[in-house]
Amino acid sequence: QKEVEQDPGPLSVPEGAIVSLNCTYSNSAFQYFMWYRQYSRKGPELLMYTYSSGNKEDGRFTAQVDKSSKYISLFIRDSQPSDSATYLCAMRKYGGSQGNLIFGKGTKLSVKP
Amino acid sequence: DTEVTQTPKHLVMGMTNKKSLKCEQHMGHRAMYWYKQKAKKPPELMFVYSYEKLSINESVPSRFSPECPNSSLLNLHLHALQPEDSALYLCASSIGTSGGAGELFFGEGSRLTVL
Repeated sequence: QKEVEQDPGPLSVPEGAIVSLNCTYSNSAFQYFMWYRQYSRKGPELLMYTYSSGNKEDGRFTAQVDKSSKYISLFIRDSQPSDSATYLCAMRKYGGSQGNLIFGKGTKLSVKP
Repeated sequence: DTEVTQTPKHLVMGMTNKKSLKCEQHMGHRAMYWYKQKAKKPPELMFVYSYEKLSINESVPSRFSPECPNSSLLNLHLHALQPEDSALYLCASSIGTSGGAGELFFGEGSRLTVL
């Protein structure tokens, strides 16, 4: 079993839809959870960063972490064509190198006008 | 705009060439990283520099040679590469390297093609 599982998609939705992106993980030592957005041929851009369990909201984006289920989600409300990108979840343990992230494979999202 | 700047954005080199990738950040971060990303794959960690010292080398072949001249600059020297080394090379930085919170900020990457 891989440490982090993420459905690669592709996921296609109409403009204005609510998008739900998810990752599951197996290592209960993970404490920090991140979502990155990566446009084609660009570097990843940090979208959301959460510690331990709970919700975090930033504009149209909401990140949820459920450590009991080892499940994290990113919700995008009122999706826009500019949200079309690959979304990578990433996580790491407390005390480990901050660069030693375990990434999911990424979900490719397409928002159609 | 990203605050981690990488040059060049694109590089084509032969297997006998020597070239370098450069990375710069002015956020006062003391940790800098090199990642390699193949198409449709997540980034893979190559090297970690903490306070200008190499702290992690993820068993990267010696044809990749990192250098950290100061806390703002990170180089990756390339020599005798193979076509399978063609990838997007990403530089990243964070405030520190270990312990608690520490967001990782990536540059836009240098796309390398080895002929």
